[in-house]
Amino acid sequence: GAGVSQSPSNKVTEKGKDVELRCDPISGHTALYWYRQSLGQGLEFLIYFQGNSAPDKSGLPSDRFSAERTGGSVSTLTIQRTQQEDSAVYLCASSPTGTSEPQHFGDGTRLSIL
Amino acid sequence: KQEVTQIPAALSVPEGENLVLNCSFTDSAIYNLQWFRQDPGKGLTSLLLIQSSQREQTSGRLNASLDKSSGRSTLYIAASQPGDSATYLCAVRGGGFKTIFGAGTRLFVKA
Repeated sequence: GAGVSQSPSNKVTEKGKDVELRCDPISGHTALYWYRQSLGQGLEFLIYFQGNSAPDKSGLPSDRFSAERTGGSVSTLTIQRTQQEDSAVYLCASSPTGTSEPQHFGDGTRLSIL
Repeated sequence: KQEVTQIPAALSVPEGENLVLNCSFTDSAIYNLQWFRQDPGKGLTSLLLIQSSQREQTSGRLNASLDKSSGRSTLYIAASQPGDSATYLCAVRGGGFKTIFGAGTRLFVKA
């Protein structure tokens, strides 16, 4: 596709359930980022993938959060045993090589934990 | 630890006015600085990217400057239009891959 695609656009789930959020980056982009945007707060870096290198997981808030990127393209962010404080918009971005180019963002997944 | 602050938090101006949005950061050892706009319910759209070795970037009615030594960047919007209404975010990338965002400036341009 022309841009970064995220699915689902909205997700409502009960506390304690696991959720998977998907990101399909721009074709050919080797760098992929996940961010979280909570109500009233700025964007918070979660994780970064670059090609086949080990991801930078330094922003993941707890061990309930994990992410993978298969085949250097699509990425899945998984949140286990969701808590109400996980409610936020989860944004994915990609860039061609992850060095000096702009990041291109998807429209995000709005996650609501009941 | 890098911290990014944007002032003002919100701004309302009449159409046609020139305006300046401010961004400050605490650690001058940055790789680049990027300005984004975010429309309600949408992701971020990249406006301008300034590398650490650059002083400014221009795109149409937008001009962004960078003063690394003082930890400041400004986004200048000329002849504002109602379509410019959005939240503007400043983001700083350090030596690693982590990008730190400011909380944004909510701009409303009145017709």
